[in-house]
Amino acid sequence: DTGVSQDPRHKITKRGQNVTFRCDPISEHNRLYWYRQTLGQGPEFLTYFQNEAQLEKSRLLSDRFSAERPKGSFSTLEIQRTEQGDSAMYLCASTPEGITGELFFGEGSRLTVL
Amino acid sequence: AQSVTQLGSHVSVSEGALVLLRCNYSSSVPPYLFWYVQYPNQGLQLLLKYTSAATLVKGINGFEAEFKKSETSFHLTKPSAHMSDAAEYFCAVNPSGTYKYIFGTGTRLKVLA
Repeated sequence: DTGVSQDPRHKITKRGQNVTFRCDPISEHNRLYWYRQTLGQGPEFLTYFQNEAQLEKSRLLSDRFSAERPKGSFSTLEIQRTEQGDSAMYLCASTPEGITGELFFGEGSRLTVL
Repeated sequence: AQSVTQLGSHVSVSEGALVLLRCNYSSSVPPYLFWYVQYPNQGLQLLLKYTSAATLVKGINGFEAEFKKSETSFHLTKPSAHMSDAAEYFCAVNPSGTYKYIFGTGTRLKVLA
């Protein structure tokens, strides 16, 4: 399978714990995005990378959230000191160069904070 | 700020009936527009996109959308609904000159037998 893969698919954690999600984009795609989706809402932009450079971060991304993309390949999204409001589906997408390119989404990582 | 508005969070149609899902965008410059579909427990999949070429865009599974600048709209249609079309549909905009994709709140389509 050469699509976008995300791991883990489901994560249940207790409030205050740290969690990390991983995204492996399609190999030739140099742009990578993280979105958050809550029930009944559309995906909300969190951040995106051009190769290893993080070019834009949403105001939604508080200081408890950090994303990295070392070497411009896979990316991780870490949430520290999780809160119940962090419960959501975290979506990763990638796209090749070109402003009109479609986003290729992974199946998401669902986070439940108890 | 650039945005998209999807009118109707839930739409029900009978099998074989016309599907019409509405999307309006706000932009001073015609943006790039997309429709995505999301089936339960799956990621989003592109249905079609408008990138300033033809205003009537044809996508997968018999869907099409028409870009109307005067109405700032990009409504999604399908002449005849099929049970397998039941899913959530998202309109998205990529404002000209940016790499940021902004999604609407989605419309859940239900197809009645």
